[in-house]
Amino acid sequence: DIQMIQSPSTLSASVGDRVTITCRASQSFNSWLAWYQQKPGTAPKLLIYQASNLAVGVPSRFSGSGSGTQFTLTISSLQPEDSATYYCQQYNSYSYTFGQGTTLEIK
Amino acid sequence: EVQLEDSGGGLVRPGGSLRLSCAASGFTFNTYWMSWVRQVPGKGLEWVANMKEDGSEKHYVDSVKGRFTISRDNAKNSLYLQMNSLRAEDTAIYYCARRGSYMDVWGKGTTVIVSS
Repeated sequence: DIQMIQSPSTLSASVGDRVTITCRASQSFNSWLAWYQQKPGTAPKLLIYQASNLAVGVPSRFSGSGSGTQFTLTISSLQPEDSATYYCQQYNSYSYTFGQGTTLEIK
Repeated sequence: EVQLEDSGGGLVRPGGSLRLSCAASGFTFNTYWMSWVRQVPGKGLEWVANMKEDGSEKHYVDSVKGRFTISRDNAKNSLYLQMNSLRAEDTAIYYCARRGSYMDVWGKGTTVIVSS
């Protein structure tokens, strides 16, 4: 199975900051990667698919990039409602796997 | 509105069985792969299984192979997860989700607790 390692595990940033979360894969693959946002007590929400495609209804301050073994999720200007846990997920090969999550706190 | 409503969770003893259901609405169910994902409360997400539109292809995470069975009834717009030989480590919130690759619509989740 492909292992997905996210960094950092926790992150604290201020409103307006540019924030980057990284996901590293144990094997190289093309863009079959998604990013999700999860707030406490709710189901995950799709943000990005195929590494860089913005899901419907997701604000344009979110963007994704990468291929191979390194992928990034960037929030260009952090908003208070972005406080959440973020997960990457590879769907290149079975079993699909998620990163361990990055918890983003607003200062 | 596109919606998934998962149900069927509960408390079950180790070795027991449970069947989860997911009712879909607001989209053409029989044109989408469907998935189950689980999450131990306070922990990360784990992909469990997925199934092709017509049921001809299914995939499972190794830890549930031979114990869990994913199925669907396209006439009823419903997805199921039959869980047998349940273990304590199967305790989690189970989400059904649309698509078999990335997952773009999620149910609210149903909680399964395996405990004696």
